[in-house]
Amino acid sequence: DAGVIQSPRHEVTEMGQEVTLRCKPISGHNSLFWYRQTMMRGLELLIYFNNNVPIDDSGMPEDRFSAKMPNASFSTLKIQPSEPRDSAVYFCASSFYPGELFFGEGSRLTVL
Amino acid sequence: SQQGEEDPQALSIQEGENATMNCSYKTSINNLQWYRQNSGRGLVHLILIRSNEREKHSGRLRVTLDTSKKSSSLLITASRAADTASYFCATDESGGSNYKLTFGKGTLLTVNP
Repeated sequence: DAGVIQSPRHEVTEMGQEVTLRCKPISGHNSLFWYRQTMMRGLELLIYFNNNVPIDDSGMPEDRFSAKMPNASFSTLKIQPSEPRDSAVYFCASSFYPGELFFGEGSRLTVL
Repeated sequence: SQQGEEDPQALSIQEGENATMNCSYKTSINNLQWYRQNSGRGLVHLILIRSNEREKHSGRLRVTLDTSKKSSSLLITASRAADTASYFCATDESGGSNYKLTFGKGTLLTVNP
């Protein structure tokens, strides 16, 4: 298996623009997670899906953030409008609950 | 909110030495996991220890768990330059279908050749 695949790896955008991050989890996994990593706050859980259903989105910072999982093999995290404080590395991870997490390589977002 | 907290924040050792990192947490857990992150990469799972286990080994890794003190330690023996990375503990507080895995801020380990 190719592992968790995230795109884009790097995104530079201007404040106010829409950003869409994409994730393909490992086939057969039933849980998908979106994390955000910054130096100040470390690794924060944004949202967790189980069997494509959002279970816990309490970590989503505000209404500018939204996440979808239309099927078992694809998820998106959207930020609209983006702000400089959204600059971070966003990780997608999948697992077969309740096992270990497999992380993608991350999407580094810079909002100017 | 941060559940696990690693100590020290940074550790620098010579190749061949042992490295010990500690993790403290606050609430009851199902298990505790350790992950490694190389610079610019995603996290990689190293080892999982369940709440009813006290010690676990995997290659050069040794993990201990003391639930009475709410703490865990990760020992890397005979360190190599390739072990240079950040190490994170993650506590599993899952209940029902709600999978809750909370990461600490990590220990940055530097192994000097």
